Amino acid sequence: QKEVEQNSGPLSVPEGAIASLNCTYSDRGSQSFFWYRQYSGKSPELIMSIYSNGDKEDGRFTAQLNKASQYVSLLIRDSQPSDSATYLCAVTPNPGGTSYGKLTFGQGTILTVHP
Amino acid sequence: ETGVTQTPRHLVMGMTNKKSLKCEQHLGHNAMYWYKQSAKKPLELMFVYNFKEQTENNSVPSRFSPECPNSSHLFLHLHTLQPEDSALYLCASSQDRGPETQYFGPGTRLLVL
Repeated sequence: QKEVEQNSGPLSVPEGAIASLNCTYSDRGSQSFFWYRQYSGKSPELIMSIYSNGDKEDGRFTAQLNKASQYVSLLIRDSQPSDSATYLCAVTPNPGGTSYGKLTFGQGTILTVHP
Repeated sequence: ETGVTQTPRHLVMGMTNKKSLKCEQHLGHNAMYWYKQSAKKPLELMFVYNFKEQTENNSVPSRFSPECPNSSHLFLHLHTLQPEDSALYLCASSQDRGPETQYFGPGTRLLVL
């Protein structure tokens, strides 16, 4: 089982729609969860971080975390063509383990927002 | 300069060459990281340094040799690489080694012939 799993897509949504990106993780003790956006040929840039169960909103972006289900998602409202990119889910493990500080990434979901 | 910078941005080398990648962070962070990103594969953590001390070597072949002379600078020395080592090499930094946000540099696109 992959440590962090994402649907690789591509996910295609029309402009103005809500894009929903999902991520599951295997380490039940994981503590911190991040969503990065990576444009083609560029480095990842942080969009959202979330540490506790529930929703966290920042502008058009909402991160949702459910630790019981080991599931984290990212919703993008009013999607724009400029949102077209690969979205990477990243997780830090249980701080009591030997991999403390290690950020494990999913393979990313390609999002395409078409006009 | 601000953020995390990396040089060179692009590098082509033969399998017998020796080259070095450089990373510098201007954020006052204490932890620095090397990642490898290959096509259609997740970002792979290679090395972690915290306060100049290596705290993680993620089973990386010895042909990759990291060096961290201080908390602001990180190098990756390359020698006798293989074509399958061609990838985007990303440097990142964070305040400390822990559940901290990591900030990435622009990366070095490496091609091994």
